[in-house]
Amino acid sequence: EPEVTQTPSHQVTQMGQEVILRCVPISNHLYFYWYRQILGQKVEFLVSFYNNEISEKSEIFDDQFSVERPDGSNFTLKIRSTKLEDSAMYFCASSEAMGRWGSPLHFGNGTRLTVT
Amino acid sequence: AQTVTQSQPEMSVQEAETVTLSCTYDTSENNYYLFWYKQPPSRQMILVIRQEAYKQQNATENRFSVNFQKAAKSFSLKISDSQLGDTAMYFCAFMKPRDDKIIFGKGTRLHILP
Repeated sequence: EPEVTQTPSHQVTQMGQEVILRCVPISNHLYFYWYRQILGQKVEFLVSFYNNEISEKSEIFDDQFSVERPDGSNFTLKIRSTKLEDSAMYFCASSEAMGRWGSPLHFGNGTRLTVT
Repeated sequence: AQTVTQSQPEMSVQEAETVTLSCTYDTSENNYYLFWYKQPPSRQMILVIRQEAYKQQNATENRFSVNFQKAAKSFSLKISDSQLGDTAMYFCAFMKPRDDKIIFGKGTRLHILP
């Protein structure tokens, strides 16, 4: 069964550094998402992306965050200047049709980001 | 704002038993989607079951079924004949049709004991 893959599985970075989290969505999917889960807390929506642009973003997704689909397969989340509170598990997801119409999201295994 | 509440942080049951995980939600919407996701130790979030609010019939997927009570805003998950591989964190989740975001509950950690 096709999967969403995320790399790396664990990233450690120093406060103030830029990080890029990478995702390869399922190949025929058109809608892409990033979610995060701070340890012990809820999984939270960050952003959705379709047709090379952001379709929705949460209040968490401020100017420090950006997303990109640099080629036909990768979907990236960039954090420009990491803060301690950015430490979390970041999940990428994709869906065949628009999630807002109930199309199921397929999640990756997550990237654990640790900011020191 | 929509909220999803899972009142059981942690549960343990013996293998082969049936277990029910509770979920309630709050919304003023009439139509929406509800989900249960499973997160095993491998960390991947796996869709277990999906329910559309306008469908009265409860969704089932093999050993997994839901009890959807729209008026009570309740969406519980029943796992029959539980297996060791069912050990995971289970998240109840809500989505309304005009949004892209899924709203998750805090999760219930389920342990299946041999």
